[in-house]
Amino acid sequence: AQKVTQAQTEISVVEKEDVTLDCVYETRDTTYYLFWYKQPPSGELVFLIRRNSFDEQNEISGRYSWNFQKSTSSFNFTITASQVVDSAVYFCALSDQIQGAQKLVFGQGTRLTINP
Amino acid sequence: GAVVSQHPSRVICKSGTSVKIECRSLDFQATTMFWYRQFPKQSLMLMATSNEGSKATYEQGVEKDKFLINHASLTLSTLTVTSAHPEDSSFYICSAGEPHFHGGTQYFGPGTRLLVL
Repeated sequence: AQKVTQAQTEISVVEKEDVTLDCVYETRDTTYYLFWYKQPPSGELVFLIRRNSFDEQNEISGRYSWNFQKSTSSFNFTITASQVVDSAVYFCALSDQIQGAQKLVFGQGTRLTINP
Repeated sequence: GAVVSQHPSRVICKSGTSVKIECRSLDFQATTMFWYRQFPKQSLMLMATSNEGSKATYEQGVEKDKFLINHASLTLSTLTVTSAHPEDSSFYICSAGEPHFHGGTQYFGPGTRLLVL
């Protein structure tokens, strides 16, 4: 069975600090997708990134970066120079199909609070 | 990205009534949509997979007669909570995505907060 673990339930840092959110996954599939979503207080899930299992290159988008390591089944997310607007719950997710509709298995989420 | 809408955003109803929630994909067609439920401070739990033109597929433990799903068109899926009770109070979120559209990435609606009194 597929499983996603986000061991950090809550993280609180001061603005401008860097912060890394951990994500570890389990799957027997050889092909799969990994995702990160942001859920601000409004509740809507905002798509951040999709990474397929064949692409282990790290990705950077502005202050966001992702480190995918297949050897350790991890897909960690780093926010550099954090801002108050980054405060939200962040979910890591794993798809169980790479063809067709992708049913997602979510981690428990990490509540990130950026203090001014 | 893509836009998925949900209506209503918030609903309060009396115990025993039925509530219908709509999920629409606005800029792409979705043969499959997913319905999730999220309790406060918890993760999203998949309830069912909505399939256009056929019956929905429910996850284990989800009552199909309680949560009726209809996917009548390629842009609309509805979730009806029948005879709602206070324990059905939750945040319901739908998602949609297609393989040919952004690699199948699931885009989520804004969610519907249901409060059953």
